[in-house]
Amino acid sequence: GENVEQHPSTLSVQEGDSAVIKCTYSDSASNYFPWYKQELGKRPQLIIDIRSNVGEKKDQRIAVTLNKTAKHFSLHITETQPEDSAVYFCAACYSGSARQLTFGSGTQLTVLP
Amino acid sequence: DGGITQSPKYLFRKEGQNVTLSCEQNLNHDAMYWYRQDPGQGLRLIYYSQIVNDFQKGDIAEGYSVSREKKESFPLTVTSAQKNPTAFYLCASGFRATNEKLFFGSGTQLSVL
Repeated sequence: GENVEQHPSTLSVQEGDSAVIKCTYSDSASNYFPWYKQELGKRPQLIIDIRSNVGEKKDQRIAVTLNKTAKHFSLHITETQPEDSAVYFCAACYSGSARQLTFGSGTQLTVLP
Repeated sequence: DGGITQSPKYLFRKEGQNVTLSCEQNLNHDAMYWYRQDPGQGLRLIYYSQIVNDFQKGDIAEGYSVSREKKESFPLTVTSAQKNPTAFYLCASGFRATNEKLFFGSGTQLSVL
């Protein structure tokens, strides 16, 4: 089955700096890669997703890049703000099949004022 | 916020007791999921259901049971066979057979007395 590894487990950045979280996956058939944000005590929420036919996707200060050859994808947050502090989870699956999402272990991002 | 509701928010289980966690959604989603979240770990899939009256085991189904008698409801029972039940349990729903854009509930924290 799919295995997703996520790094780093914790990340601290100064407000205004950029943050990068990286994930690798094992199943070359995976074609859907979402990122979820979970603020303290709250539910995970989808913040951005990418499919394997696209190399990069942006949404304001957030971007995700995908390297299918190397089987890794990354979340980039620019101009970080205190409200970006949260746990971020990556995930991977072959969308449209019986295979389910496999999540990474999460990254605790802390934005220091 | 509405959409998918979990109850109770906190639950305590005594030794040898079965407990049931509730999950209700009004998003008209066919698919529903149960995940377990342990500190420092990602979300692990317990059970999922793509359609009423049908459900499948996830990666860590032992000691758990589910039912899907209505589209809106997907309760999870933590049985006495689950020896380490203390965790945060998240329910999610989404469109059938895509695993995309999951909506999560606010979770139930289960602890053992």
